[in-house]
Amino acid sequence: DTGVSQNPRHKITKRGQNVTFRCDPISEHNRLYWYRQTLGQGPEFLTYFQNEAQLEKSRLLSDRFSAERPKGSFSTLEIQRTEQGDSAMYLCASIHLTLWINYGYTFGSGTRLTVV
Amino acid sequence: AQKVTQAQTEISVVEKEDVTLDCVYETRDTTYYLFWYKQPPSGELVFLIRRNSFDEQNEISGRYSWNFQKSTSSFNFTITASQVVDSAVYFCALSESWARSGGGADGLTFGKGTHLIIQP
Repeated sequence: DTGVSQNPRHKITKRGQNVTFRCDPISEHNRLYWYRQTLGQGPEFLTYFQNEAQLEKSRLLSDRFSAERPKGSFSTLEIQRTEQGDSAMYLCASIHLTLWINYGYTFGSGTRLTVV
Repeated sequence: AQKVTQAQTEISVVEKEDVTLDCVYETRDTTYYLFWYKQPPSGELVFLIRRNSFDEQNEISGRYSWNFQKSTSSFNFTITASQVVDSAVYFCALSESWARSGGGADGLTFGKGTHLIIQP
């Protein structure tokens, strides 16, 4: 297991369509995070899971966004009725709660969403 | 509310010059963690360093060094003898809520990043 994997790498969708992204964290990591990064900005926190429980959601996560981590392993982020403002890079990160002190958060390469 | 400010949007230097990236943070917590990440054109964020608020010792790792000063709420990053491969966007980030989550692992607040260009 070489790191955090995100699929797809790129997604182009028409406004109003639904999209779903997947994140596979490092296998022994128990916390998983979603961030959104728009052009020229730093990543912004969206939500995170500890195992299968969603512990915190940012105000950025509108009702059109939903995230799941059903078995405490991979996670999905779904955006319903996409808008052009949803165009961004969606980043996933994971940590092991007792090991992260030395290794920080491990990020995936992200999924770049373009809404046309 | 927590905030991270990286006032330098873009820095361009010639290879082998030293360069310092500034980071100023705001937090009401007494216990917090500060990070630096590198984001090359590939997009993946690469962890560079994590520092907790109780440890004000400066740290050096090869050509990289970090200066943490609580008195000025700054956590600056210096690259000595810069190389073209150092070209990337560098982000400073802050993690609070240590008591709630047990370790500051509730998520990161990032600055807007500094785009560092090293010219050959």
